[in-house]
Amino acid sequence: QSALTQPASVSASPGQSITISCTGTGSDIGGYVYVSWYQQHPGKAPKLMIYDVSNRPSGVSNRFSGSKSGNTASLTISGLQAEDEADYFCSSYSTSSSLSVFGSGTKVTVL
Amino acid sequence: QVQLQESGPGLVKPSETLSLTCTVSGTSISSGYFWGWIRQPPGKGLEWIGIIYHSGSAYYNPSLKSRVTISPDTSKNQFSLKLTSVTATDTAVYYCARDPGQYQRYYYLDVWGKGTTVTVSS
Repeated sequence: QSALTQPASVSASPGQSITISCTGTGSDIGGYVYVSWYQQHPGKAPKLMIYDVSNRPSGVSNRFSGSKSGNTASLTISGLQAEDEADYFCSSYSTSSSLSVFGSGTKVTVL
Repeated sequence: QVQLQESGPGLVKPSETLSLTCTVSGTSISSGYFWGWIRQPPGKGLEWIGIIYHSGSAYYNPSLKSRVTISPDTSKNQFSLKLTSVTATDTAVYYCARDPGQYQRYYYLDVWGKGTTVTVSS
């Protein structure tokens, strides 16, 4: 299973917006709407933030939004807050795997 | 409110079998959904181990398939993970999680356990 490609780190000041990219291929991100994003604070379990490219589960702040263009999915966090500092992983269905595939992970730092 | 809780030994010797259990509360695994195991080596990303349906149909990571068995125990509302012939590279935090597709997979995980650390060492 090849991991989806994410930037290792992204940083910004409180109140700013950031976008995390997740690049795959036509066999995963580009071909399907099954893209999800997870937030993971240190020592904690991942938490679902976005599913099916752009849907937010109940209870997730509307500062988090997802989108997709071609083979790249994106997670945007607007009005960055200190509590948003965490690792973020994308995931997508892939025809090359009966399981979905995860991204390599992005560490978000709030300056 | 659906909750998952992993349990099992925190230390396993090389070449032995790692056995973990995920106890589900707030719903019955017999009512559907898909139940999976994911692991995260220290300082690294997430890796799928496998996922099952309550009927026992299972999908495994090809790189682990020869060593993995995931099984449901509907009487206890649990599902288990067995990983044989472990080595130090199997040291990781192991999570159980739910895919909320009732009859077909939705390909995302909406409920996760807190995770349990397993170290492979003699």
